[in-house]
Amino acid sequence: GESVGLHLPTLSVQEGDNSIINCAYSNSASDYFIWYKQESGKGPQFIIDIRSNMDKRQGQRVTVLLNKTVKHLSLQIAATQPGDSAVYFCAESDTGRRALTFGSGTRLQVQP
Amino acid sequence: GAVVSQHPSRVICKSGTSVKIECRSLDFQATTMFWYRQFPKQSLMLMATSNEGSKATYEQGVEKDKFLINHASLTLSTLTVTSAHPEDSSFYICSASPQGLNYGYTFGSGTRLTVV
Repeated sequence: GESVGLHLPTLSVQEGDNSIINCAYSNSASDYFIWYKQESGKGPQFIIDIRSNMDKRQGQRVTVLLNKTVKHLSLQIAATQPGDSAVYFCAESDTGRRALTFGSGTRLQVQP
Repeated sequence: GAVVSQHPSRVICKSGTSVKIECRSLDFQATTMFWYRQFPKQSLMLMATSNEGSKATYEQGVEKDKFLINHASLTLSTLTVTSAHPEDSSFYICSASPQGLNYGYTFGSGTRLTVV
């Protein structure tokens, strides 16, 4: 069935470095993608989204890149801070389905 | 804006009892809400789509008679775990989106259910 997966389960970076979290998806009909941050015991927090008619979108310290050709999504976090430590999930959906399908998650550990 | 509130945040119940979890959209109306379940160190898995004024749509493998969903108003959906067993212990999370937006991207804070 359709799935969204991640290449790296854990990413450890030094404070101040840039972080890149990757995600692969398999549903070619997916047209909407979101990155979420989840801290322990909390619900997912929206970070940034992108629609399939775009290949890049920037927010505050974050950039999402979408490569539809290879069905790949990435989240770039600039100047990573200790407060960025969390589990990051990509999620995807398509116009017909509406609900989100989540990837397996990547734990980001920021070393001070 | 777009705040989703979930209650309770934690609940412990005895095996065989039922537990109700509430999901409220505080500053918007939501005709559709989504219920997810998350086991430790795993991702969120969609359980069901809650539709205001009609029956919920359940994902394959989710027992509709065990996980009762009621969406009686545009701001409230409830999930009742009936005859709970220890294997139902999990983190339950709801999401909703304002009317006019798709995909339900605002999440509640989650409910940690422990069945003893």
